[in-house]
Amino acid sequence: RKEVEQDPGPFNVPEGATVAFNCTYSNSASQSFFWYRQDCRKEPKLLMSVYSSGNEDGRFTAQLNRASQYISLLIRDSKLSDSATYLCVVCCSGGGADGLTFGKGTHLIIQP
Amino acid sequence: DGGITQSPKYLFRKEGQNVTLSCEQNLNHDAMYWYRQDPGQGLRLIYYSQIVNDFQKGDIAEGYSVSREKKESFPLTVTSAQKNPTAFYLCASSISAAGSYNEQFFGPGTRLTVL
Repeated sequence: RKEVEQDPGPFNVPEGATVAFNCTYSNSASQSFFWYRQDCRKEPKLLMSVYSSGNEDGRFTAQLNRASQYISLLIRDSKLSDSATYLCVVCCSGGGADGLTFGKGTHLIIQP
Repeated sequence: DGGITQSPKYLFRKEGQNVTLSCEQNLNHDAMYWYRQDPGQGLRLIYYSQIVNDFQKGDIAEGYSVSREKKESFPLTVTSAQKNPTAFYLCASSISAAGSYNEQFFGPGTRLTVL
């Protein structure tokens, strides 16, 4: 059974701090990895894809560790607007026709 | 503006009634998906469709039905057989279901409450 595990938090972090959280996945054949952001009572929005070599988008850095089967998200210089739930998403083995598997999310609260 | 629309945003129905949720996309995406989200839970896949006139059951298809007669549209019917229909329903689409093009983009969702 495919599983994606995240620490639900909440992570309470002061504005300007750096915060990081991980997500582990059980299916070693998983092919694609994503971080989504979901605000309260809204739809998830794609934050970034996670590539094998790691990738950075402004204050956000995502990394993949296939050997240990986890992905990570690092947020630098956190802003109040970063407060949200961050969903780790893992896709597909052998074809990708069965949709994504979502973690339950990590709740992040940036405090002034 | 390209995107995914869902209607209505809020829907109330009496127990025992079927209800159909709308999902439309003008992104020219081949694949479309339906998920439900319950409080404190991750998204769970109900049905997905890789191409017009084809769809597959997801993890929790019982009590639901779908159709894919047009590329742009993927309506979901919540039938009276669904035991706990009250939830937040999210529709998504992606360029394709396979390979590296499976980044999914979501509509704003429909909150269904069964009274």
